[in-house]
Amino acid sequence: NAGVTQTPKFRVLKTGQSMTLLCAQDMNHEYMYWYRQDPGMGLRLIHYSVGEGTTAKGEVPDGYNVSRLKKQNFLLGLESAAPSQTSVYFCASSYPSSTYEQYFGPGTRLTVT
Amino acid sequence: AQSVAQPEDQVNVAEGNPLTVKCTYSVSGNPYLFWYVQYPNRGLQFLLKYITGDNLVKGSYGFEAEFNKSQTSFHLKKPSALVSDSALYFCVGTNRDDKIIFGKGTRLHILP
Repeated sequence: NAGVTQTPKFRVLKTGQSMTLLCAQDMNHEYMYWYRQDPGMGLRLIHYSVGEGTTAKGEVPDGYNVSRLKKQNFLLGLESAAPSQTSVYFCASSYPSSTYEQYFGPGTRLTVT
Repeated sequence: AQSVAQPEDQVNVAEGNPLTVKCTYSVSGNPYLFWYVQYPNRGLQFLLKYITGDNLVKGSYGFEAEFNKSQTSFHLKKPSALVSDSALYFCVGTNRDDKIIFGKGTRLHILP
């Protein structure tokens, strides 16, 4: 039981480049989330999904897109990276009955130069 | 607007002493409150939760938290700190119908 895994762990991009972050969970959770963590700001929700084929915007969705083609996977895309997107990105998942008890992945550290 | 505040960026405690990490909330209706811990280079881990019932809730690793409705607080406590407790702690709040709100985090340093 791997829990929530994220790929890659680290990435450096140049401004304007694109990339996709992959999140996978093996706990059969319906809900999945993408957060970004910046110093002194806690975690901010980017996008989330309440089930396969559905996505919704969170607090800071601009510049990101997501897809949930399979229940176990949640992809976060950056179409044209900007330095303001330098951050640590966390994926999480939960059951619908306890969305507050989320299971987090180890994070992806992204630097945009 | 709903909010969760952690007034201290950093807390230093000597090993063996009791520790408190403070949290106050502003959540409409009945609040659901939680604490998460983040160890270096790791994701967040769930520590404990308050939904309803006893104001003192116990969680993992010997931590507990006290819900105080009149003071709108949910402070995290431990009777005797360990060096391994050093980490970043997040207070989280919601009222079930709304989005989850994370506090900014408090870095806890336990001094040997």
